[in-house]
Amino acid sequence: ETGVTQTPRHLVMGMTNKKSLKCEQHLGHNAMYWYKQSAKKPLELMFVYSLEERVENNSVPSRFSPECPNSSHLFLHLHTLQPEDSALYLCASSQGLGFGTDTQYFGPGTRLTVL
Amino acid sequence: LAKTTQPISMDSYEGQEVNITCSHNNIATNDYITWYQQFPSQGPRFIIQGYKTKVTNEVASLFIPADRKSSTLSLPRVSLSDTAVYYCLVGDGVLDYKLSFGAGTTVTVRA
Repeated sequence: ETGVTQTPRHLVMGMTNKKSLKCEQHLGHNAMYWYKQSAKKPLELMFVYSLEERVENNSVPSRFSPECPNSSHLFLHLHTLQPEDSALYLCASSQGLGFGTDTQYFGPGTRLTVL
Repeated sequence: LAKTTQPISMDSYEGQEVNITCSHNNIATNDYITWYQQFPSQGPRFIIQGYKTKVTNEVASLFIPADRKSSTLSLPRVSLSDTAVYYCLVGDGVLDYKLSFGAGTTVTVRA
């Protein structure tokens, strides 16, 4: 148990659906991250929020929309996804402000399948 | 950003010591070296971090030579449960948001 929870753990959606992934951290951290991990590929950083401000949008398509309403919660809103978006989506948090030396604590991930 | 190079995979047996070397030839003065472990279908987990010389914790040791162009993660007496992907990350302490996990090293421990 890392102190970072993600819901749902598994999600199957059609290409026309709209869904949201939720992440919650119980560690009092200041930065939160979304990563995508496709099968047999490295983790891809998608978004970084530091003190609730988005500080990084790593060329992610607009069909992925993040939201950080407060320092403990992070959402990833999904709409009109493609089958190639099927992947494990990981949320992480860190005590610092997203610096390279920060230890990131990861949640268990949401396994997303787009039909 | 300093690019890292690790072996794609390594095999070992229970009870042996596993050493994974990561090359980072263009590491910058302010960069730290961090290792994470990831089990299938789980998020990565922090193992150890260092800047120079040697760092040891209850899980692993990290050896960093004086020139810092490489580092070696040492896992003592591995067990089957140490089978995982191990990532070497290099980044500085100043707004390094694009820290990359790379492909990692898949370590397989056999009985």
